[in-house]
Amino acid sequence: AQSVTQLDSHVSVSEGTPVLLRCNYSSSYSPSLFWYVQHPNKGLQLLLKYTSAATLVKGINGFEAEFKKSETSFHLTKPSAHMSDAAEYFCVVSDKGSGGYNKLIFGAGTRLAVHP
Amino acid sequence: KAGVTQTPRYLIKTRGQQVTLSCSPISGHRSVSWYQQTPGQGLQFLFEYFSETQRNKGNFPGRFSGRQFSNSRSEMNVSTLELGDSALYLCASTLQQGGVNNEQFFGPGTRLTVL
Repeated sequence: AQSVTQLDSHVSVSEGTPVLLRCNYSSSYSPSLFWYVQHPNKGLQLLLKYTSAATLVKGINGFEAEFKKSETSFHLTKPSAHMSDAAEYFCVVSDKGSGGYNKLIFGAGTRLAVHP
Repeated sequence: KAGVTQTPRYLIKTRGQQVTLSCSPISGHRSVSWYQQTPGQGLQFLFEYFSETQRNKGNFPGRFSGRQFSNSRSEMNVSTLELGDSALYLCASTLQQGGVNNEQFFGPGTRLTVL
């Protein structure tokens, strides 16, 4: 069965410093991995996705993630945090449900706080 | 192009009642999935509909059901509400069923409170 583990429930950074949100996955086959962001009282927005085309994936708002098969990791990074990055971030794996790949398995989430 | 819309945005019900939530996918999208988000259990997959048929199902009791109409709009129903059903219910639409590259677009959710 597919699963993801987000290693930190809370991360706090200062504005302008790098962001690292950690995610490990477990998969019985080559996974599709995603990072979604959820701002307060908003729906989920896709930041980036890995579907085996390239191990370094660039997303929106300056975020990127690197797929490392040997470490079963898919960590999310950003060189310089902005106040608007404060939100909850979810690492997600796509599961092969009976009807195809549309079943998403979410990690527990990492709440990112950005301080001035 | 309009995004995924969910109605109502907020609901308050009492235990034992039933509730119906509605989701309108992005125009042209044919697959609709539902997720439940709670502080304790996080985000969990409920079910997916495509061409008016349930294609995937999560691990929820039979009190949770859904359907999809010919215009791809979807409804989910929860019968005999329990306190633990209080949650944010999110709907997501996808262009096609299945496929690893399918991005799911999420609506703003319906916040259900059961008293």
